[in-house]
Amino acid sequence: RKEVEQDPGPFNVPEGATVAFNCTYSNSASQSFFWYRQDCRKEPKLLMSVYSSGNEDGRFTAQLNRASQYISLLIRDSKLSDSATYLCVVNIGRYGGSQGNLIFGKGTKLSVKP
Amino acid sequence: GAVVSQHPSRVICKSGTSVKIECRSLDFQATTMFWYRQFPKQSLMLMATSNEGSKATYEQGVEKDKFLINHASLTLSTLTVTSAHPEDSSFYICSAHRGGNIQYFGAGTRLSVL
Repeated sequence: RKEVEQDPGPFNVPEGATVAFNCTYSNSASQSFFWYRQDCRKEPKLLMSVYSSGNEDGRFTAQLNRASQYISLLIRDSKLSDSATYLCVVNIGRYGGSQGNLIFGKGTKLSVKP
Repeated sequence: GAVVSQHPSRVICKSGTSVKIECRSLDFQATTMFWYRQFPKQSLMLMATSNEGSKATYEQGVEKDKFLINHASLTLSTLTVTSAHPEDSSFYICSAHRGGNIQYFGAGTRLSVL
């Protein structure tokens, strides 16, 4: 089983749509969780951290279910500029404390159309 | 603005040459930096952890003699791909922590070996 698994998509949605991405992780000792966004041929950029209580940042809502080892990202009112690949990222804390290495999913591609 | 600077952004070289990539933390000190590699349509994979003043820690399957890492100062880590071959062509990205458990990425280096 892959350490971090995502549906690769692509998700093709019209502007204004709501879209949800899911991610599962295999290491139950994982310590922290993130969604990163990666534009074509660019570096990943942090979109948001994910907390057990769920967190929201504008149109973006992230949720974590530790029991099911499942992470989700919801994007409301999609914009053209949301088109990118969304990476589910897990920190397994291997190198001690919070500065462990990150395990990346392959990403889910989102394409928002006019 | 950028938190981590990576240079060069693009390298095209002949097979057998060595290529050096620099990663700098801007306005903060990074005792640990990370080097990742991403092949097309694949996830980022950690290659090694660069430790200031000591040897790098390499992930399984990554040849330390081929991918030389030097972290001589608190703001600079370098990755040298020695005797590069076409199969080394990839997107190389470095990252560093700036407080907490958030990693910031350099803009990446796209290496093409002919």
